[in-house]
Amino acid sequence: SQKIEQNSEALNIQEGKTATLTCNYTNYSPAYLQWYRQDPGRGPVFLLLIRENEKEKRKERLKVTFDTTLKQSLFHITASQPADSATYLCAPFPSYNTDKLIFGTGTRLQVFP
Amino acid sequence: DTGVSQDPRHKITKRGQNVTFRCDPISEHNRLYWYRQTLGQGPEFLTYFQNEAQLEKSRLLSNRFSAERPKGSFSTLEIQRTEQGDSAMYLCASTSPKVRNEQFFGPGTRLTVL
Repeated sequence: SQKIEQNSEALNIQEGKTATLTCNYTNYSPAYLQWYRQDPGRGPVFLLLIRENEKEKRKERLKVTFDTTLKQSLFHITASQPADSATYLCAPFPSYNTDKLIFGTGTRLQVFP
Repeated sequence: DTGVSQDPRHKITKRGQNVTFRCDPISEHNRLYWYRQTLGQGPEFLTYFQNEAQLEKSRLLSNRFSAERPKGSFSTLEIQRTEQGDSAMYLCASTSPKVRNEQFFGPGTRLTVL
């Protein structure tokens, strides 16, 4: 079955450092992959989408990579700030035949001042 | 605020009761999705609509769950004979016909079954 793995343990980093979150998937080949941010008690918010033919995508302080050989995506936040503290969800898109998303469990990021 | 609203935000009910949640998507969005999220997990897909047509339903969804979108605008999710295992956050999302990849989520309805 399709499986998505994200670090279940929280990632704690100091303000100003680069945070790197990992998303690994198995048993399917997504056409693209999305990253969402979720704050406690709120719905996820879309951040970035990267397609299978793109190696890297950037948006302000965010960078996403997509390695279809390794079946892995990395999500980087540079110059991290306490306001970046949240849970980050990976969602590799399962196929062109459906619009549903399959989410990973998410990784909680805590940025300390 | 993404523009997707859900009502109620919180619902406490006793086991065996029926509950209904409502989702109002962004007005021009034609696709609407329902997800369920439990603590420490990512959202789990339940069902989705294109306009009023229900296009896909999770095999994990029991017969006690039903969703409607009668006029292609707002949607309702009903859970009959609630069980304690139904306690979760129920999230609604919508997408624009022009940008189908980006889902806009509502704040969710937190259900607690006692």
